[in-house]
Amino acid sequence: DTAVSQTPKYLVTQMGNDKSIKCEQNLGHDTMYWYKQDSKKFLKIMFSYNNKELIINETVPNRFSPKSPDKAHLNLHINSLELGDSAVYFCASSHAGTGKGKNIQYFGAGTRLSVL
Amino acid sequence: DQQVKQNSPSLSVQEGRISILNCDYTNSMFDYFLWYKKYPAEGPTFLISISSIKDKNEDGRFTVFLNKSAKHLSLHIVPSQPGDSAVYFCAASLGSTLGRLYFGRGTQLTVWP
Repeated sequence: DTAVSQTPKYLVTQMGNDKSIKCEQNLGHDTMYWYKQDSKKFLKIMFSYNNKELIINETVPNRFSPKSPDKAHLNLHINSLELGDSAVYFCASSHAGTGKGKNIQYFGAGTRLSVL
Repeated sequence: DQQVKQNSPSLSVQEGRISILNCDYTNSMFDYFLWYKKYPAEGPTFLISISSIKDKNEDGRFTVFLNKSAKHLSLHIVPSQPGDSAVYFCAASLGSTLGRLYFGRGTQLTVWP
């Protein structure tokens, strides 16, 4: 069983379209994340949800909207896609609720988004 | 601003030898450090970690060293194996910021036979 699974693995779409990426974890974690890996290979956090509550919201265009229906799911919806949104998006989860610094995150395989 | 830096984009090592991957950070408040390994078309996988109160942590062939005064950590792999060829990411966290990890840009390790 895949611990953190995200779908789809590849997404090719036209500029201006709206798309969603889904993420599910079966590790019983209380916190989930979305990261973006750009062409320079930097992994940058976009959002984090703890027990369905948004706790990290980096400087991300409001075209990006995360939604967490429950602790095991965190989906990412992107409106009006732009060329610069092309990247690999990773979902991750962890037990971050302790707040003690120990935060081992487990990642999905990534979704490669290509905006044409 | 990058608070975690991996200044070597690539490293090439012969099988059986030691691989040393380096990482520097700027924020002295980081209290936990992690190394992740990433194969192509896969997500990063956790490898080993160290708390800021320690200076060394060992797990099999992998050892992480932390030098707080220099704000530097390193990952040693001994002996290196071809299957270790991957991108290695260094990451750091602040206990006070729930869940946030700061990543370096990664070092591509190639282990040749």
